[in-house]
Amino acid sequence: IQLTQSPSSLSASVGDRVTITCRASQGISSYLAWYQQKPGKAPKLLIYAASTLQSGVPSRFSGSGSGTDFTLTISSLQPEDFATYYCQQLGSYPHTFGGGTKVGIK
Amino acid sequence: QAQLVESGGGVVQPGRSLRLSCAASGLTFRSYAMHWVRQAPDKGLEWVAVISYDGSKIYYLDSVKGRFTISRDNSRNTLYLQMNSLRAEDTAVYFCASPVDTPYFDHWGQGTLVTVSS
Repeated sequence: IQLTQSPSSLSASVGDRVTITCRASQGISSYLAWYQQKPGKAPKLLIYAASTLQSGVPSRFSGSGSGTDFTLTISSLQPEDFATYYCQQLGSYPHTFGGGTKVGIK
Repeated sequence: QAQLVESGGGVVQPGRSLRLSCAASGLTFRSYAMHWVRQAPDKGLEWVAVISYDGSKIYYLDSVKGRFTISRDNSRNTLYLQMNSLRAEDTAVYFCASPVDTPYFDHWGQGTLVTVSS
């Protein structure tokens, strides 16, 4: 299963609403996760089962979708949110990741 | 607090072998599946392999099948990745990861760098 993320990069300002999409090449029900990764660090789980917020993750992050189309939304971008975001499907092996979306400062 | 710590990375020539380890602490290691994920320099994440909690089920990325072997020692709380016939394209930071609090990859190690170069 291939995951296509868009955009591959974006520039935004603090306070902006940011939306990242992830499209699966075939249906994966809700077996999708979103991760945040900062340079030199391991990825951090933000959202799992497409829309469940991981414990400790700020509520400005939200996820939606099922089947083949998914969305990660940051309602009000904060300085610590500038990072790269990845989706991952766990519907079948291999558990592929999307290509990533780098969120930069405008 | 659950912790995963990888080791064993380094510089190796093409065609040679390397074994990575991932030591787990603060969790009931024998209860969880364990995964390896890699990230080539300035590239995205790539899932590599998984082993079930008891070692009975194993899956690999196609490009590493026949060259890499995932295994675990539940008595030592340690996950392994034996990498043979290494290629330049295997150069990456290798992370171990596990679903502990959720069914997803909620715990990660810090990663260990493998560089395949002559």
